[in-house]
Amino acid sequence: EVQLVESGGGLVKPGRSLRLSCTGSGFTFGDNAVSWFRQAPGKGLEWVGFIRSKIYGETTEYAASVEDRFTISRDDYKRSAYLQLKSLKTEDTAVYYCTLVGYDFLTNHPNWFAPWGQGTLVTVSS
Amino acid sequence: SYVLTQPPSVSVAPGKTARISCGGNNIGSKSVHWYQQKAGQAPVLVIYFDKDRPSGIPERFSGSKSGNTATLTLIRVEAGDEADYYCQVWDRSRDHPVFGGGTKLTVL
Repeated sequence: EVQLVESGGGLVKPGRSLRLSCTGSGFTFGDNAVSWFRQAPGKGLEWVGFIRSKIYGETTEYAASVEDRFTISRDDYKRSAYLQLKSLKTEDTAVYYCTLVGYDFLTNHPNWFAPWGQGTLVTVSS
Repeated sequence: SYVLTQPPSVSVAPGKTARISCGGNNIGSKSVHWYQQKAGQAPVLVIYFDKDRPSGIPERFSGSKSGNTATLTLIRVEAGDEADYYCQVWDRSRDHPVFGGGTKLTVL
């Protein structure tokens, strides 16, 4: 079974940093792009960014709202992707999800997101 | 930037058919994907490439497109279908995904 598990969330003070992990099982982790999302309490899904697989250079894309503070990386040997959160603000409080990126292999373009991890809660508060 | 518009809420009686719309300029030229998110759970992909169902998704779920609107249709709605539903496309000009604001499906 393809599975993703996030970890690393918790309570953190404004201005601090946090690193979230996303560990996969049941598939060849290195062959897949990984994306991060977040969902603030009572709000909709917000895309954070994604990291391509090694064959695509492990390049990253970010939402404009976070690109100066968040960084996505990966370690295929550990079957993990990471989301580094810096200079955290109270408005970064959310459940953070990781997910695999589904590709249209005819066009080599990313398209959809599945499966998703169960999420990890980050609470930014003094 | 590209915008997808969904109704905030749709209500339907059990056993009836629910239709959730997703409007976007020239959406016919894009692939539309749909997600179901039940309360307290992670999203689940229920339709991809406009109308394809991932393994494990019931045949009661279907997707279609016409003009500037994509539609997720649920037939024989059950109480367990109550959830938020999101449509999504990929904005190739920015290499970013775009999501609709979500539709809360209430089963009466």
